[in-house]
Amino acid sequence: QVQLVQSGAEVKKPGSSVKVSCKASGGTFSSYAFSWVRQAPGQGLEWMGGIIPIFGTANYAQKFQGRVTITADESTSTAYMELSSLRSEDTAVYYCGRDYLVRGAIRYWGQGTLVTVSS
Amino acid sequence: DIVMTQSPDSLAVSLGERATINCKSSQSVLYSSNNKNYLAWYQQKPGQPPKLLIYWASTRESGVPDRFSGSGSGTDFALTITSLQAEDVAVYYCQQYYTTMWTFGQGTKVEIK
Repeated sequence: QVQLVQSGAEVKKPGSSVKVSCKASGGTFSSYAFSWVRQAPGQGLEWMGGIIPIFGTANYAQKFQGRVTITADESTSTAYMELSSLRSEDTAVYYCGRDYLVRGAIRYWGQGTLVTVSS
Repeated sequence: DIVMTQSPDSLAVSLGERATINCKSSQSVLYSSNNKNYLAWYQQKPGQPPKLLIYWASTRESGVPDRFSGSGSGTDFALTITSLQAEDVAVYYCQQYYTTMWTFGQGTKVEIK
């Protein structure tokens, strides 16, 4: 059974960076797409970007280009999302997800990581 | 980016009745070479991550009750819940995976009337 376990909640100052991890277990790591999706309080889902570890290159939503970096470490089966220049509007729950049979349909999800940006 | 627009933003349906959620994409998500629509539907309950319900616009994920069905092609899609149950109260999202930049609709909240 595939499990995605994310790192714990973070509180950050405006202008700083945050790095959230997503450790996968129970399945092959490298050939599936890992996505990062965020959800601000009371708002909808927002796809930030993703990576297929075996290819190594990440894709990013235009909104986050230049501010987000998504990486994957095959040796530890862990995906990472780093968001820089944080502002209050980045306060959200950040989810990692992984597809399965269909590239793009996110079947497995982490539990979510709350990132709070506050001075 | 492809913009996904859902309607309505919310709807209230009586138990046992039908609920239909619409999703429109700003460009076609039908890939002509395989005749597949790159469109998924998710259900999200409060405090939980989303759950994949449907992919390829109409293929039900394993374990999803058959009262959930997806339809449509090209730019216009629908998720139908026949005979709404109490446990179906949730927010539903469509998502396109046609391009390398995936996008979600804004969500539709389904409640019991």
